[in-house]
Amino acid sequence: DAGVTQSPTHLIKTRGQQVTLRCSPKSGHDTVSWYQQALGQGPQFIFQYYEEEERQRGNFPDRFSGHQFPNYSSELNVNALLLGDSALYLCASSLGGAANYGYTFGSGTRLTVV
Amino acid sequence: GQQVMQIPQYQHVQEGEDFTTYCNSSTTLSNIQWYKQRPGGHPVFLIQLVKSGEVKKQKRLTFQFGEAKKNSSLHITATQTTDVGTYFCAGHRDSGYSTLTFGKGTMLLVSP
Repeated sequence: DAGVTQSPTHLIKTRGQQVTLRCSPKSGHDTVSWYQQALGQGPQFIFQYYEEEERQRGNFPDRFSGHQFPNYSSELNVNALLLGDSALYLCASSLGGAANYGYTFGSGTRLTVV
Repeated sequence: GQQVMQIPQYQHVQEGEDFTTYCNSSTTLSNIQWYKQRPGGHPVFLIQLVKSGEVKKQKRLTFQFGEAKKNSSLHITATQTTDVGTYFCAGHRDSGYSTLTFGKGTMLLVSP
């Protein structure tokens, strides 16, 4: 049990479509970070949410957007899907938003764009 | 931007042999974290190092943080088949709010 819950686990979408991925952080955690992991690569940082605001953002286009709700859960939205968006999307939760704690990762959402 | 590099990309050992993976950052880090990802799984936090020259041990795993806080290593003594997976280092540039940047990882395969 990872403590972080992500849904759905798998998803197949067509190019140009939009997708929403969901994440519930570990109990007690208030910060959510989203990562994209291509096959055989390390996780690439998309953005981080803390206190319902986007606090940090990686080198991803505006097609990638997110939201954090008052209960700390989060959504990742990707518009105008490209084939290259196919990847494992990982949500990680932590405490306080600062760089002092290890991240707890969810099992991820495997997105396939066809 | 900040880059974290790991070597080797892949290593195949016989059970009982030792294993080491090295991590180098292009910038000084406030801390370094190590994660393990089993095949088909998700990254699992192993440890965090904060102090220059810090060494920490977890059973057969030894973690080191370099004096300049730009490099780190993970050493596994007498590998077991349960050690199979990809080991990632990840670093924060600042002690405040900053991105946790991951390396590409070292994939470890252990043959019985």
